Amino acid sequence: GEDVEQSLFLSVREGDSSVINCTYTDSSSTYLYWYKQEPGAGLQLLTYIFSNMDMKQDQRLTVLLNKKDKHLSLRIADTQTGDSAIYFCAEKGPGLTGGGNKLTFGTGTQLKVEL
Amino acid sequence: ETGVTQSPTHLIKTRGQQVTLRCSSQSGHNTVSWYQQALGQGPQFIFQYYREEENGRGNFPPRFSGLQFPNYSSELNVNALELDDSALYLCASSFRTGWDGYTFGSGTRLTVV
Repeated sequence: GEDVEQSLFLSVREGDSSVINCTYTDSSSTYLYWYKQEPGAGLQLLTYIFSNMDMKQDQRLTVLLNKKDKHLSLRIADTQTGDSAIYFCAEKGPGLTGGGNKLTFGTGTQLKVEL
Repeated sequence: ETGVTQSPTHLIKTRGQQVTLRCSSQSGHNTVSWYQQALGQGPQFIFQYYREEENGRGNFPPRFSGLQFPNYSSELNVNALELDDSALYLCASSFRTGWDGYTFGSGTRLTVV
């Protein structure tokens, strides 16, 4: 079955880089995603990576995927106070019985950016 | 392009009651998924609807049911509410395969007392 794990907390100084890590168990995952959730809000899609890619860069965000170790990371360059939020890693596994798809989320990493 | 909208934003219900939550999909999306997010946890998949039919379900009892309408909007119904049903309920819309990610609404915060 699917399981996604993340560390609970990360604290960085403004201007430093943040690296949020995630491990997953389902080797048949096709896409992996990073979502951001600010207090009292829904989930905002930050970026995603297809399982046959090793890296994807999108402005300040860099996603690294090690498929052999089932490890995903999100690097945020020049972290700002506005980046303080909970970050969720999610995997999209094989299709469901009825033909649908679902995301399996980790428990989230709380990123705190200090001045 | 409008995003995903959910109503109501907050709701308080008594144990044993029934509740209906509503969701309007992002323009152009034809698939709706519902997730339950308990405090301090990641979202858990409830079910997904495509062409007005449920086409996937997570580990939730039958008292969680849903509907999708021809305009792709959706409802989540929960019967016989329990205290553990207190959570943020998130609706997400996508195209059929959802490979480029799901667009989430801001959620409905349900409190069962």
